[in-house]
Amino acid sequence: AQTVTQSQPEMSVQEAETVTLSCTYDTSESNYYLFWYKQPPSRQMILVIRQEAYKQQNATENRFSVNFQKAAKSFSLKISDSQLGDTAMYFCAFMKPLHRGGKLIFGQGTELSVKP
Amino acid sequence: DGGITQSPKYLFRKEGQNVTLSCEQNLNHDAMYWYRQDPGQGLRLIYYSQIVNDFQKGDIAEGYSVSREKKESFPLTVTSAQKNPTAFYLCASSPHRATEAFFGQGTRLTVV
Repeated sequence: AQTVTQSQPEMSVQEAETVTLSCTYDTSESNYYLFWYKQPPSRQMILVIRQEAYKQQNATENRFSVNFQKAAKSFSLKISDSQLGDTAMYFCAFMKPLHRGGKLIFGQGTELSVKP
Repeated sequence: DGGITQSPKYLFRKEGQNVTLSCEQNLNHDAMYWYRQDPGQGLRLIYYSQIVNDFQKGDIAEGYSVSREKKESFPLTVTSAQKNPTAFYLCASSPHRATEAFFGQGTRLTVV
């Protein structure tokens, strides 16, 4: 069975600094998808970044980038130039392709506070 | 506009009553999911479905039931067998290529 683990329940960072959120996962699949979702106080889930396991290049979206280590089953999120609006819960997620079951599971979340 | 709609946003029920949460999507997505979120916790998978008339149990299916009679609809029934149903429920859908999962705005269920 797949599992996703986020070992940092809470983190804080000063505005404009860089922070890294950790995520590890366990799977026997060779092809899969990884995501980071943001959940602000409104509770709306917002996709931050995604990574396809067969792509070796780390995904980047503006100030957000990942460090994907497939062999180590690690998928960390780096937020550069942190902004007050980045304050939210961040969830790491794993998805199998639909033809392999399509199960989408989440980690426990990391609550990030960006301080002025 | 395409999207995924959950209704109602807030729902109150008496203990012992079944209640059904609605989830509709017009994105033509194949897969749909139901999650439960408790305060300060992550999303736990209740049920998911990849195609019409088929669905699988997630990690916490006990006390819940679903149906997938139409591609665009995936209602969740919280039965009286669910011991602690008060929670925030999120529905999501995903296209065949699993580029991402799109989420509804959630239903806050309170059982009194």
